[in-house]
Amino acid sequence: NAGVTQTPKFQVLKTGQSMTLQCAQDMNHNSMYWYRQDPGMGLRLIYYSASEGTTDKGEVPNGYNVSRLNKREFSLRLESAAPSQTSVYFCASSEARIRGETQYFGPGTRLLVL
Amino acid sequence: AQTVTQSQPEMSVQEAETVTLSCTYDTSESDYYLFWYKQPPSRQMILVIRQEAYKQQNATENRFSVNFQKAAKSFSLKISDSQLGDAAMYFCAYRSARGNSGGSNYKLTFGKGTLLTVNP
Repeated sequence: NAGVTQTPKFQVLKTGQSMTLQCAQDMNHNSMYWYRQDPGMGLRLIYYSASEGTTDKGEVPNGYNVSRLNKREFSLRLESAAPSQTSVYFCASSEARIRGETQYFGPGTRLLVL
Repeated sequence: AQTVTQSQPEMSVQEAETVTLSCTYDTSESDYYLFWYKQPPSRQMILVIRQEAYKQQNATENRFSVNFQKAAKSFSLKISDSQLGDAAMYFCAYRSARGNSGGSNYKLTFGKGTLLTVNP
């Protein structure tokens, strides 16, 4: 039981390049989330998926797209990377139908955009 | 919109001593959850403790306990018998108990964090 896994762990991009961050969970959770963490800002929600087949914008969705590929996988895509997207990205999952459920986080992906 | 404030950017404690981290939040809701997450240098986000707003009893988890004051919208974390492994960034987080249009977003709103140093 690996929990929430993310790939890659670290990535360097040039401005304008595109890439996809991958996330998978093996806890059979319905809901999945993408957050970004910037120094002094805490974590902010980019997009979330309440259940398979649905996605919604969070606080800071501009410049990103997501795909809920199946129940296990939720990817985050940067179509044209910008230096402002340099950050640490966390994926999380939870069983939202259970009252009081906890979000479990992956190890993070550190992204540097030059 | 809900907001979470952690007024202490940094705290330090001597090993084996007790430290309290502060968190306040702003919400108009009556049903919600509060969390403390720990983020060590590995950057992994680890749940420390959770409080349900409808429960008056403060949550405890081994050496970790909270002081939940609903009327004051305060949710502090007390770490007893501090250990070197407790050194980390600690985040307070809020989550509504209501879904969104029948959905289940339950997104977390985080504070900016408190960096805890444990001195040997």
